[in-house]
Amino acid sequence: EVQLVESGGGLVQPGGSLRLSCAASGFTFSSYWMSWVRQVAGKRLEWVANIREDASEKYYVDSVKGRFTISRDNAKNSLYLHMNSLRAEDTAVYYCVRGWSHYIHWGLGTLVTVSS
Amino acid sequence: QSALTQPASVSGSPGQSITIPCTGTSFDVGGYNSVSWYQQHPGRAPKLMIYDVTDRPSGVSQRFSGSKSGNTASLTISGLQAEDEADYYCSSFRSTGTLMVFGGGTKLTVL
Repeated sequence: EVQLVESGGGLVQPGGSLRLSCAASGFTFSSYWMSWVRQVAGKRLEWVANIREDASEKYYVDSVKGRFTISRDNAKNSLYLHMNSLRAEDTAVYYCVRGWSHYIHWGLGTLVTVSS
Repeated sequence: QSALTQPASVSGSPGQSITIPCTGTSFDVGGYNSVSWYQQHPGRAPKLMIYDVTDRPSGVSQRFSGSKSGNTASLTISGLQAEDEADYYCSSFRSTGTLMVFGGGTKLTVL
């Protein structure tokens, strides 16, 4: 059974940093593109970033370019999202998802709240 | 403001069919066959219902179907059931700027 378990969310002040992690199991992690998708206020979905199987390609939504970095460790079956210079508008539930263009498997999400 | 346009809400009675449109541009919906649809119940993660415009993942009911005409994709649900009441989101690959874009979501109410 495919499982994606996010962690690392929490409350952070504007300008702060967080690192989200996603532990993957039940499939050959190194064979799949992986992505982060966020959901704002329980409604609007927004694709954040994705990374190729071997990490040779990475893409980001314009609003996080230069602030967020997606990475992966295939030996540890883990996906990461390093978030710097956080803003109030980054407040959302962040989902780890398998794939690059459509997402069958989703984690439960981790809540990031950016507030002073 | 979402990149793809969906109606905020649609409704239908049990047994009826409804269609949810998703309008984009030639840079996304109109230019590529990478449109997906997701169903989301309250407190749950989204569930993939349709991908590549018309394909259904294993286990998704045949009552759900997708189509596209020009810059507008559509999700049709036939034989509406109470369990279909949920939020529905479309998404598409986009060739300019952001790689993937979502619609703002449509709340389906089964009357």
